[in-house]
Amino acid sequence: AQSVTQLGSHVSVSEGALVLLRCNYSSSVPPYLFWYVQYPNQGLQLLLKYTSAATLVKGINGFEAEFKKSETSFHLTKPSAHMSDAAEYFCAVSADFGNEKLTFGTGTRLTIIP
Amino acid sequence: GAGVSQSPSNKVTEKGKDVELRCDPISGHTALYWYRQSLGQGLEFLIYFQGNSAPDKSGLPSDRFSAERTGGSVSTLTIQRTQQEDSAVYLCASSLVGLANDEQYFGPGTRLTVT
Repeated sequence: AQSVTQLGSHVSVSEGALVLLRCNYSSSVPPYLFWYVQYPNQGLQLLLKYTSAATLVKGINGFEAEFKKSETSFHLTKPSAHMSDAAEYFCAVSADFGNEKLTFGTGTRLTIIP
Repeated sequence: GAGVSQSPSNKVTEKGKDVELRCDPISGHTALYWYRQSLGQGLEFLIYFQGNSAPDKSGLPSDRFSAERTGGSVSTLTIQRTQQEDSAVYLCASSLVGLANDEQYFGPGTRLTVT
């Protein structure tokens, strides 16, 4: 079964520094990979979605993620952190085409240090 | 436009009672999903509807959990004889047709506390 692993349950970066949140998927190349963000007391919001059309995926709020098959990774980056980026971030994967179930990682809480 | 709405936002119930959680998807969305977010378990898929049918119920943790969708719109998740381990945030999401052509839009969730 497909799964995702997010390394680091908590990540702290200084304002203006690079943000790097790690996600690795478990097995065969999935059809779709996602990054979601959850702000306190809010629902999940999609940051970006990988569909195999391009390995570098640009999302909202300046985030992007690169799909690397050789490393089974889909890490999320942002060049310069902003205070408003403080939230919890989830990587998710769908197992197969036609399979609507999303499997989520355990999440990474991002703290921005002023 | 209006997003996915869920009610109630918070529910406290006694162990052994039944609860119903409601989800109103975005108008016109044919796909609807229920997830559970709990400490230590992260986000878990529960069930997926396409229209009024549920082709994937694989995530329902026990036969105490059931869900229905009527009119291709509103969905209700019912938990019978609630247990303390059912305490979690229950999230609903909807999608226009499904993951191939759209994303899942999530509601704010219902926080269920079983005492």
